[in-house]
Amino acid sequence: DAGVTQSPTHLIKTRGQQVTLRCSPKSGHDTVSWYQQALGQGPQFIFQYYEEEERQRGNFPDRFSGHQFPNYSSELNVNALLLGDSALYLCASSLARISGNTIYFGEGSWLTVV
Amino acid sequence: KQEVTQIPAALSVPEGENLVLNCSFTDSAIYNLQWFRQDPGKGLTSLLLIQSSQREQTSGRLNASLDKSSGRSTLYIAASQPGDSATYLCAVYSGNTPLVFGKGTRLSVIA
Repeated sequence: DAGVTQSPTHLIKTRGQQVTLRCSPKSGHDTVSWYQQALGQGPQFIFQYYEEEERQRGNFPDRFSGHQFPNYSSELNVNALLLGDSALYLCASSLARISGNTIYFGEGSWLTVV
Repeated sequence: KQEVTQIPAALSVPEGENLVLNCSFTDSAIYNLQWFRQDPGKGLTSLLLIQSSQREQTSGRLNASLDKSSGRSTLYIAASQPGDSATYLCAVYSGNTPLVFGKGTRLSVIA
C-alpha cells in the first residue's frame, strides 16, 4: 500500500519563476492538504482540497494555488517566487468522511529559491 | 486562534534515559492531538493520535498523555536510544480546521 508520494524531492528555482509540486495521496484517501515548513518551524497550512475544490485556505497569498484531479492527486503551484518561499512543502492525505482520523504526510518537496 | 507551544525547543540526553516532551495549546476545544516524528530533511511520521475523549495512548516505548482541560500533552519516551534522535512535533485538530503545529522539540540521544 503506497503512502503519500510527492515529486520532485528537491528543486532550485530563480526569483520570479513559477513552480509546480505534485502529490499522490495514500490509497483510499480523498482529501489532500498542503503545508509549508520553513527551517526550524512547524508546518503551516496552505490549503486543503476535497472533491476537486479548495475547501480551506490558510494565510497565504494568491500566488499559491492548487488543483485536485479526479483521481484525488493534487498539485501546488507557486507563481512569482520569492526568496522567502524557500521551504519544505509537505502534502498530507486523509479520509474526509472520518473526522479526526490519522493524517499521513509525504516526504516533502524541498524548494530553494535563489 | 489556536496556538501550540512545545518546550523545550531542543534536548540532549544520554542513551538509556527516560524523557518527557511537552506540548501546550491555547484552545481546549480540540478533537484530537497527534505527535509526529521528523527526521532531518524528511517528512512527518505519525507516532500517536489521542482523541479528545482519551487520556493517553501507548506505542512501544512511547506514551502520550492528554489533559484537554489544561491544554497540555506530554510525550514520554522510555529508555531512549540514538535512533530516537529526531524532531518531535505535536499538532492539534479542532474540527473543520487544519492541523495546527508547534515548532517542535529537537531531540539528540547521545550514545
